[in-house]
Amino acid sequence: DTGVSQDPRHKITKRGQNVTFRCDPISEHNRLYWYRQTLGQGPEFLTYFQNEAQLEKSRLLSDRFSAERPKGSFSTLEIQRTEQGDSAMYLCASSLAPGGTYNEQFFGPGTRLTVL
Amino acid sequence: GDSVTQMEGPVTLSEEAFLTINCTYTATGYPSLFWYVQYPGEGLQLLLKATKADDKGSNKGFEATYRKETTSFHLEKGSVQVSDSAVYFCALSLHPLMNSGYSTLTFGKGTMLLVSP
Repeated sequence: DTGVSQDPRHKITKRGQNVTFRCDPISEHNRLYWYRQTLGQGPEFLTYFQNEAQLEKSRLLSDRFSAERPKGSFSTLEIQRTEQGDSAMYLCASSLAPGGTYNEQFFGPGTRLTVL
Repeated sequence: GDSVTQMEGPVTLSEEAFLTINCTYTATGYPSLFWYVQYPGEGLQLLLKATKADDKGSNKGFEATYRKETTSFHLEKGSVQVSDSAVYFCALSLHPLMNSGYSTLTFGKGTMLLVSP
């Protein structure tokens, strides 16, 4: 098991461009989370999948943000028409959970986005 | 809403000094509490956790006790090492049954620890 991986590790883009990040969770994990971490702040929850179902997306920052997990394995986070305020570290985490219990979330190394 | 407040850093200590990083929380119900650590260039790692009042989480010489009466979960270590230099995050999670069936983490802003030889 290699843990949670994210790609790319760094992304520099110009304002107005679209970007897509990928997260590969630990293989047997059925839950996947996306967080955003800005400088000097703790991670902030964005969205959550159980298998391929996106069960919580009300915390996505705007309608420019979207996420998918089409086959219940890897996930992508897309930001359309990027703005300078989108510059941040985007973290992915996964966990294995039966219903009704907390399970440890394992975090990936993050994708650092810089919007020029 | 739920929130976590940590002492601001950086905390600068000499090797073998005693460490305390304060953490208090506000939450509906009785959350689980966590300390995560982030080493430079790496992802967050769970350091320790406590799931109910008076529980003590411990790992790698670090300890924290869940104090419901003071809504606190302070991190302590008796003798820090240079390798402990990192950013430490306190976090809480509501029980999934109280949070629409899933548990997400609410983090504090993090406290940077710098340990010098």
